[in-house]
Amino acid sequence: GEDVEQSLFLSVREGDSSVINCTYTDSSSTYLYWYKQEPGAGLQLLTYIFSNMDMKQDQRLTVLLNKKDKHLSLRIADTQTGDSAIYFCAAEGSGTASKLTFGTGTRLQVTL
Amino acid sequence: GAVVSQHPSRVICKSGTSVKIECRSLDFQATTMFWYRQFPKKSLMLMATSNEGSKATYEQGVEKDKFLINHASLTLSTLTVTSAHPEDSSFYICSARISAGVGEQFFGPGTRLTVL
Repeated sequence: GEDVEQSLFLSVREGDSSVINCTYTDSSSTYLYWYKQEPGAGLQLLTYIFSNMDMKQDQRLTVLLNKKDKHLSLRIADTQTGDSAIYFCAAEGSGTASKLTFGTGTRLQVTL
Repeated sequence: GAVVSQHPSRVICKSGTSVKIECRSLDFQATTMFWYRQFPKKSLMLMATSNEGSKATYEQGVEKDKFLINHASLTLSTLTVTSAHPEDSSFYICSARISAGVGEQFFGPGTRLTVL
């Protein structure tokens, strides 16, 4: 089955850019998602990218997809303290099941 | 739009009792709902996929008799943890897919279950 990996922790200073990386194994994944989870809360969809795209920008967020290497990244420009959270990437399988496989999550810590 | 609610948000129960968790799509119809379990500081593990009007599809290793799922309408799915044990304590999150959407899942806020 699909395997999605992320680094566990990232610390950045307020105002800097954050880059969170993710790798996946199933090359037939159709959509790739980034979710944000704050402590004790559910998941908030931040953005997603279709597998035939290589970049998507949405305000402070930029998603880059390297389909050949099966590598996905999320860049947050001008990182704020409110961005501190756990970020999950998720890959959606092809076919009617369309299940999401989540990465292990990256805890982003924003320092002053 | 696309709001998913869960009830209750927190529940504490005694070992051996059953607990029902509701997942509702408030402003859209969801033919498919998903139930996830999240252990502390871990990722989400898909437990089952629930389609309205049909039996749920459980992931490998998930006991269907222990985690009963009912998807009675296009806006409501329930997860019942039967004969709960302390090891069932976890954060349970549901998600719902808009029936005519592109695959995006909208997540509920989660339910924290503690079994004493």
